Amino acid sequence: KNEVEQSPQNLTAQEGEFITINCSYSVGISALHWLQQHPGGGIVSLFMLSSGKKKHGRLIATINIQEKHSSLHITASHPRDSAVYICAAYQGRYNTDKLIFGTGTRLQVFP
Amino acid sequence: DAGVIQSPRHEVTEMGQEVTLRCKPISGHDYLFWYRQTMMRGLELLIYFNNNVPIDDSGMPEDRFSAKMPNASFSTLKIQPSEPRDSAVYFCASSSIASNEQFFGPGTRLTVL
Repeated sequence: KNEVEQSPQNLTAQEGEFITINCSYSVGISALHWLQQHPGGGIVSLFMLSSGKKKHGRLIATINIQEKHSSLHITASHPRDSAVYICAAYQGRYNTDKLIFGTGTRLQVFP
Repeated sequence: DAGVIQSPRHEVTEMGQEVTLRCKPISGHDYLFWYRQTMMRGLELLIYFNNNVPIDDSGMPEDRFSAKMPNASFSTLKIQPSEPRDSAVYFCASSSIASNEQFFGPGTRLTVL
């Protein structure tokens, strides 16, 4: 069993739909990172959070430390949101400890 | 700032050859991380440095892999001898203790024939 699990593995949506990607972890963490990887490979940091909720444009990330669960929401999805979304947990007491990655969620948004 | 810089972006080599991947972290960052991404295993941490000192190399797969950070602005990941199963995308990332957020380089796509 992976220490960081994501669901679903694959997700398709129509443009405009509300999207949720889930991440659960089984280890103690200090913070959690949501990353986006477009075809062609570049990895971009979307959010890093250790509690509560963060919002950036149409993206919202939440984390519940007690339940060891985080979600990434995309409102009014667009084809340009098509990418792989990766959840990664900072294991240990300090954010500078190593990241443990989920397997990623491949999102395709169709016009 | 130019962000994390990696070179080369693509490398094709033959089995048995030595491969050296290079990384320039963001200026002022204290931490540097080397990751490998494959279809089968996803992203894996290979090694990370703090202030040029290797902290955790437990992810380095074999003795064929070595990494150095001779100064704060440069790191190398070397594979000698390379094998076809080393084919992957290798990412370098850096972060500062102030914000802890990791910034990734564009990656080096390595193909070992």
